[in-house]
Amino acid sequence: GAGVSQTPSNKVTEKGKYVELRCDPISGHTALYWYRQSLGQGPEFLIYFQGTGAADDSGLPNDRFFAVRPEGSVSTLKIQRTERGDSAVYLCASSSDGNSGNTIYFGEGSWLTVV
Amino acid sequence: GESVGLHLPTLSVQEGDNSIINCAYSNSASDYFIWYKQESGKGPQFIIDIRSNMDKRQGQRVTVLLNKTVKHLSLQIAATQPGDSAVYFCAESGGTSYGKLTFGQGTILTVHP
Repeated sequence: GAGVSQTPSNKVTEKGKYVELRCDPISGHTALYWYRQSLGQGPEFLIYFQGTGAADDSGLPNDRFFAVRPEGSVSTLKIQRTERGDSAVYLCASSSDGNSGNTIYFGEGSWLTVV
Repeated sequence: GESVGLHLPTLSVQEGDNSIINCAYSNSASDYFIWYKQESGKGPQFIIDIRSNMDKRQGQRVTVLLNKTVKHLSLQIAATQPGDSAVYFCAESGGTSYGKLTFGQGTILTVHP
């Protein structure tokens, strides 16, 4: 597609439920990133994929969070046993590769609300 | 990365004025810097970037200045327009993980017609 596409744009879930957030990167981009943004703050890094593998997952807050990119294109961020503190905008981004100077383009985000 | 509360710095200007937004970064090993614009309800939009081997880079109506000595970055917007109103974030990366951006404190820019 023309840009990074994320679905759903909004998700309301009950505490303790499981959610999946999907990201479709720009066609041909091998690097894909997930960030989380809370109200009034800048995005915070969660995980970075180069191809199918997670090159850096140091930002995942705990083992309830997991992400996959099985075919090196679409990625899914999975959150188990959601907590109210997980409420945030989850942003996906992609770049042509993970090298310096390659512009990182963000999607519009998935707004997650845990009630 | 840096975390900030709800009280972001604000800058109010009149349409047509020049705007300067400042950012301090923390990691002296960072060698790639980016400015993003974020409008309400949208994702960050790339504006301009600069590598550490440069101290100035110009785009269309925007200029980024980098001072590595004091770890300071600025974004200058010429002839600011109402459509420039948004939150502006600087971001840095470097080392072995260029995709791992660390975002700085955002600045709310409001342009009055």
